[in-house]
Amino acid sequence: EIVMTQSPATLSVSPGERATLSCRASQPVSNQLAWYQQKPGQAPRLLIYVTSTRATGIPARFSGSGSGTEFTLTISSLQSEDFAVYYCQQNNDWPYSFGQGTKLEIK
Amino acid sequence: EVQLVESGGGLVRPGGSLRLSCAASGFSFSDYEMNWVRQAPGKGLEWIAYISNRGLTIYYADSVKGRFTIYRDNAKNSLFLQMNSLRADDTAVYYCARDIQLLGSDAFDIWGQGTLVTVTS
Repeated sequence: EIVMTQSPATLSVSPGERATLSCRASQPVSNQLAWYQQKPGQAPRLLIYVTSTRATGIPARFSGSGSGTEFTLTISSLQSEDFAVYYCQQNNDWPYSFGQGTKLEIK
Repeated sequence: EVQLVESGGGLVRPGGSLRLSCAASGFSFSDYEMNWVRQAPGKGLEWIAYISNRGLTIYYADSVKGRFTIYRDNAKNSLFLQMNSLRADDTAVYYCARDIQLLGSDAFDIWGQGTLVTVTS
């Protein structure tokens, strides 16, 4: 089973600043990596798939990069609605595992 | 509107059973693979089961293998999760999620609102 590790666990950033979230896979997953956003009391929402492609309706301030075992989600200029928990998920091999999440909080 | 609505959660004793349902609307359900993902209170997401569009291919997480069964009824646009031998660590919000093939990769693009399962004596 592929283990996904996200860092940091919590990230404190001021509105308008850039946030960089990391995700590492225990073995290569090619570009088969998705990112999800989850707000309190809500279901997760797909942000990014195949590492860098934004899902429908996702603003351009969200971008993804990486390959193999190291991946990054960048939010270029944080808006108030972006403070949430973010999860990466590998979909290269079953079971499709999630990282433990990064909580993005207001500084 | 594309929508998934889960139901069937509730309070159950350890060792008991429960069946979750997920009603799909607004899209051609039989064209899509589906998944169940759960989230224990205050914890992260855990994928637990997958079923192909016609139900011919099924995968489970080790944590539920042999206890949970995923199945679907395409005629009724519904996905199910039969949960047996429930344990306290099965306590979670259970989400159904549509699996879409995008650029040769899977992604869970539509999620239900979740249904809470609490296993306690």
